[in-house]
Amino acid sequence: EIVLTQSPATLSLSPGERATLSCRASQSISTYLAWYQQKPGQAPRLLIYDSSKRATGIPDRFSGSGSGTDFTLTISSLEPEDFAVYYCQQLYNWVTFGGGTKVEIE
Amino acid sequence: QITLKESGPTRVKPTQTLTLTCTFSGFSLSSNGVGVGWIRQPPGKALEWLVFIYWDDDKRYSPSLKSRLTVTKDTSKNQVVLTMSNVDPVDTARYYCAHRRVVSGNWNGGDFDSWGQGTLVTVSS
Repeated sequence: EIVLTQSPATLSLSPGERATLSCRASQSISTYLAWYQQKPGQAPRLLIYDSSKRATGIPDRFSGSGSGTDFTLTISSLEPEDFAVYYCQQLYNWVTFGGGTKVEIE
Repeated sequence: QITLKESGPTRVKPTQTLTLTCTFSGFSLSSNGVGVGWIRQPPGKALEWLVFIYWDDDKRYSPSLKSRLTVTKDTSKNQVVLTMSNVDPVDTARYYCAHRRVVSGNWNGGDFDSWGQGTLVTVSS
């Protein structure tokens, strides 16, 4: 099973700041990686697929990068609605999710 | 617009079989390349993928849960049904169904571009 490790577990930032979230895979997954945002009481929402492609309707302040084993989700300038939990997911070999990064207001 | 909604019991007893239904609209599960997945999330924990079912009735199960899961579809009703046998308190979770983003190939994997609201199932005696 491919294990995804997300860091940090919690990121404390203020609106307007830049957020950088990391996802590391236990083996190479090429660019078979997606990112989701989940707010309390809601289902996850697809943000990024194929490591760097924004899903429909996702603002361009969200960007993804990486290949192989190291991936990054960047939120260029945090809006109040961006404070949430973010999950990465690999689809290279079956499907597994990372443990999540909580982006909270400092 | 794609919508999905899960339904089923809110509570089941250990060793029983859990049956959940996903009712969807906005796409057809008889169209080439279309798939639906089930994912669950224990309270306060991360997501866990369970299964895919495809337009051609191909099914791909999580290796760790394969022996306990069965998924079927009813195209005429726009429904997908998941059954999980011999449930345990560790199966307590919110269960989501989701539309697999349409991509040809890589049928063991996929990401999800539309999700239902989920249904919370508690396993307790």
